[in-house]
Parts: sequence; structure tokens; C-alpha cells
Amino acid sequence: DIQMTQSPSSLSASVGDRVTITCRASQSISSYLNWYQQKPGKAPKLLIYAASSLQSGVPSRFSGSGSGTDFTLTISSLQPEDFATYYCQQSYSTPIFTFGPGTKVDIK
Amino acid sequence: EVQLVESGGGLVQPGGSLRLSCAASGFTFSSYAMHWVRQAPGKGLEYVSAISSNGGSTYYANSVKGRFTISRDNSKNTLYLQMGSLRAEDMAVYYCARVVEQWLVRLPSYYYYMDVWGKGTTVTVSS
Repeated sequence: DIQMTQSPSSLSASVGDRVTITCRASQSISSYLNWYQQKPGKAPKLLIYAASSLQSGVPSRFSGSGSGTDFTLTISSLQPEDFATYYCQQSYSTPIFTFGPGTKVDIK
Repeated sequence: EVQLVESGGGLVQPGGSLRLSCAASGFTFSSYAMHWVRQAPGKGLEYVSAISSNGGSTYYANSVKGRFTISRDNSKNTLYLQMGSLRAEDMAVYYCARVVEQWLVRLPSYYYYMDVWGKGTTVTVSS
């Protein structure tokens, strides 16, 4: 089974900060990596698919990069509505889509 | 509007059974594979089960294999999860999600992601 890890597990940041979250797969998954945002009490929301493609309607301050085993989600200028937990997900071993443990972004 | 609405959650005793439903609207349900994903209190997201668009193929996480059964009724635009032999560790919010299959030229291959999620239904396992 493909295992996903994320770092950091949590971070504190201020509005306007540039934020970077890392996701690592236990084996190469090419570009089969998605990113989701989840706010408390809400369902996850797709942000990025195929490592770097921005889902329709998602602000351009979100970007994704990486290939193989190492991936990054970047928020270029953190906004108040971006405080949430972010999950990576591999879709290489379809249809078993493993999630990372999540990264909580809160207010400094 | 594209929408998924889960129902059927509730309180059940250990060893009991429960059937969850996910009603789809606003899209051609029979064209999409569907998944169930759960989230235990204070924990992360966990893949539970998947079913192909025509219901012919099903998949399960090892943690639920043999206890849960996924199915769908495309005539009713509804996805189901029959849960049996429930344990305390099955307690969670259960989400259904639509899976998009898309050809990406830059890969080049088919690619998969969950683009629509329901709001979830809560399953509590307790005596």
C-alpha cells in the first residue's frame, strides 16, 4: 500500500504570509496527487488535482508542484478564509485513494 | 446544482448494523464512480470503499473488508453503504464523494479526483 506523509502537521501563520506544505509518498506516484482543504464541520473541498492543476473556482493564490514522491502546496498570500486543514491524496493506486494525515493551518 | 446528500447515520450498539444512503442530483449519476470516505472524531480522512459507475466493481479498505458492502441503484441515483459488525473504531462522519475520470494530455493518461462531496452523516457506535 502507498503511504502518504505530510509536514508540518500544523503551522501558525499570519494573514499575508506565504505558506508551504509538503506531502511525500512512500513510492513514486508520478503526478497522481490531489490537495483538499477542510474547514471544521465541513466536507473537504478539492483545491489542486494532478499535482499542479487548479480546480475551477479556486483562487490563484493556491498552487501545487512536484512529481514522483515529493509534492508541495503553496498559498502565496494567506487569507483569513484559508485557515483550515489541508490533506494530500494519492490517486495512483486507483480506486484506493490514500490520504495524508493532514496539516492544520491556524492563526499566529 | 450538483449535490450529494447522505443520510442513515445514527447511534448503534457494537456489533450492530446500519445502512447509509447518498442521494445524488444535478448530474448523470450513472456516469461516475463513487466513494465513501470517513473521518473519526478529531482525526484525518480515511478511504472506506469505492464502486464503479455501473456497480460491477467494488473495493474496500482492509479495515472494513468483510463487514461493509457498497452498492448503488442508478435508477434511483443513490449510493449505499451497508455496515455490519460495527465497532467503536467505525465511529465517524461518513462522506460520499463523486470521482471524476479525466484524460490529462500532459501525463498522458486518465486521472482521478474527488470533486463533489456530501456534507456527511454521523455514525456513533456505543452501548
